[in-house]
Amino acid sequence: DTEVTQTPKHLVMGMTNKKSLKCEQHMGHRAMYWYKQKAKKPPELMFVYSYEKLSINESVPSRFSPECPNSSLLNLHLHALQPEDSALYLCASSQRLGTGDSYEQYFGPGTRLTVT
Amino acid sequence: KQEVTQIPAALSVPEGENLVLNCSFTDSAIYNLQWFRQDPGKGLTSLLLIQSSQREQTSGRLNASLDKSSGRSTLYIAASQPGDSATYLCAVSPIYNQGGKLIFGQGTELSVKP
Repeated sequence: DTEVTQTPKHLVMGMTNKKSLKCEQHMGHRAMYWYKQKAKKPPELMFVYSYEKLSINESVPSRFSPECPNSSLLNLHLHALQPEDSALYLCASSQRLGTGDSYEQYFGPGTRLTVT
Repeated sequence: KQEVTQIPAALSVPEGENLVLNCSFTDSAIYNLQWFRQDPGKGLTSLLLIQSSQREQTSGRLNASLDKSSGRSTLYIAASQPGDSATYLCAVSPIYNQGGKLIFGQGTELSVKP
């Protein structure tokens, strides 16, 4: 099973709302990622977790707050977003992060976020 | 700084043609190169991963090659079908970045006409 699941598939939220995106994998992977993708552009890395600890934050605004409560689950908490944050948010996982190697990343189907 | 370029940006072919998608990168210090497929509004599906020590990988009608010294990879699709229509992305994993960050190209949008 090489499946990464994401919920919800679609989300519409106002600029004052608080919402969360959820990502789950059961492949035993210990690295998990959040990407943001705008239309006709490649994905942009936001955060990387390794063994449930935040490893990389690509200078993402604090209105995006990641959380990794266990090795299978990754959340992205959203608060006071702007319309320009509307995008496809993708989660990915890999076996682990390497310090001399690199592992295949598996992506979920994404959450289409619209901020009104 | 690693940069990844994909040419062409868009490609339209009749069904049955064999085709080649190109990917080039500026820094040969990579762990691997990964090819993905993305359907409109969907997530990325990993097609092939080539480790830096490998020259090619094959899966069904797909064959990906890697020439690290020249900074090039190609994705060959044999006997194209309308179901192959999608955007194809290549991404490299640079050695200088040990955090698993992928550097993506802009993608090639492929349309296969029946």
